[in-house]
Amino acid sequence: GQNIDQPTEMTATEGAIVQINCTYQTSGFNGLFWYQQHAGEAPTFLSYNVLDGLEEKGRFSSFLSRSKGYSYLLLKELQMKDSASYLCAATDSNYQLIWGAGTKLIIKP
Amino acid sequence: DAMVIQNPRYQVTQFGKPVTLSCSQTLNHNVMYWYQQKSSQAPKLLFHYYDKDFNNEADTPDNFQSRRPNTSFCFLDIRSPGLGDAAMYLCATSRGLADYNEQFFGPGTRLTVL
Repeated sequence: GQNIDQPTEMTATEGAIVQINCTYQTSGFNGLFWYQQHAGEAPTFLSYNVLDGLEEKGRFSSFLSRSKGYSYLLLKELQMKDSASYLCAATDSNYQLIWGAGTKLIIKP
Repeated sequence: DAMVIQNPRYQVTQFGKPVTLSCSQTLNHNVMYWYQQKSSQAPKLLFHYYDKDFNNEADTPDNFQSRRPNTSFCFLDIRSPGLGDAAMYLCATSRGLADYNEQFFGPGTRLTVL
């Protein structure tokens, strides 16, 4: 079957760094997305990885290892507004997005 | 600004009373999606359109129907809402079906079933 695993909840301190991990099992793989979703709002796009390695975009970076079926989202210099759920989603061979349930990130002052 | 719009933002209906949710987009994207998302769960794809080509997910109940009269608009009809259908309904669009096409989401409609 197809499956995305990510931690349910994480807590971090304002100004610190946090890494949110995601492992995936899909029938075929064509890329991995990270989305941010604030409570009661729609998901917004953060990053897309298709090749192995790290993609950096400001305070956020995303890493992919295709051989390990693994990705992480790295958030630096955490701000209170980063409190949200972070959803990992992998595309399968039919171009369908397989979504994780999201990691709720709580930022403490 | 180009965007995805959903109306209404909040919808209350009674058990068994049909309800229609609407979505419009100014992005001129080919693909439109409807997702159901319950609290702390992954978005669940109900169906998508590539232009007028309708694609229903295998496990989408018959109670859920959709219409896309033109490129800009898409509707979700719930024929007989049950208590289990209370959820956030998200509309999304993408330029195409290829894997690199990010999806753009509307703000969602939160459906309450009494």
